[in-house]
Amino acid sequence: KNEVEQSPQNLTAQEGEFITINCSYSVGISALHWLQQHPGGGIVSLFMLSSGKKKHGRLIATINIQEKHSSLHITASHPRDSAVYICAVTLWGGSNYKLTFGKGTLLTVNP
Amino acid sequence: GAGVSQSPSNKVTEKGKDVELRCDPISGHTALYWYRQRLGQGLEFLIYFQGNSAPDKSGLPSDRFSAERTGESVSTLTIQRTQQEDSAVYLCASSRDSTYPYEQYFGPGTRLTVT
Repeated sequence: KNEVEQSPQNLTAQEGEFITINCSYSVGISALHWLQQHPGGGIVSLFMLSSGKKKHGRLIATINIQEKHSSLHITASHPRDSAVYICAVTLWGGSNYKLTFGKGTLLTVNP
Repeated sequence: GAGVSQSPSNKVTEKGKDVELRCDPISGHTALYWYRQRLGQGLEFLIYFQGNSAPDKSGLPSDRFSAERTGESVSTLTIQRTQQEDSAVYLCASSRDSTYPYEQYFGPGTRLTVT
């Protein structure tokens, strides 16, 4: 079983829809990261959080440490949001620099 | 300012040849990471450098893989006697430090194809 599980694996939405991507993890973490990867492009860090909620523009990330669960929300989705969204965690303890990744969620937003 | 840069952006090589991939981190970032992304799979940690400390090589898949970093500057990832299963995108990232989890900034990657 992977230490980081994402769902759904694939998600197709219509422009304007509210989108939620989920991430569950099974280990103690010091931080959780949400990353965005466009086709053929590099990876951009969207959020790093260890508690609560963060918001940047139309993106919102939440984390529940007790339930070992995080969600990434996109409000008023747009075709340019189409990308792979990756959840990753840094483990608690000596290796708190090492990212352990989920397999990613491919989001396609149609106009 | 300049982000993380990697070269080459694409590399096609024959099986059995050696390849060298380069990463230039963001100036002032003491931590540097190499990751691999094989087609259809998630990202894998390969190696980590922090300042002058001994690197964490625990993610290197075999002894054909090695990496070096001079101080807090450029890093090179070398793959000797390449195999087809080495075909992947190799990503480099850097961060300010790693005493506390900091945001990692990723380079554009090097797409390696072994024929």
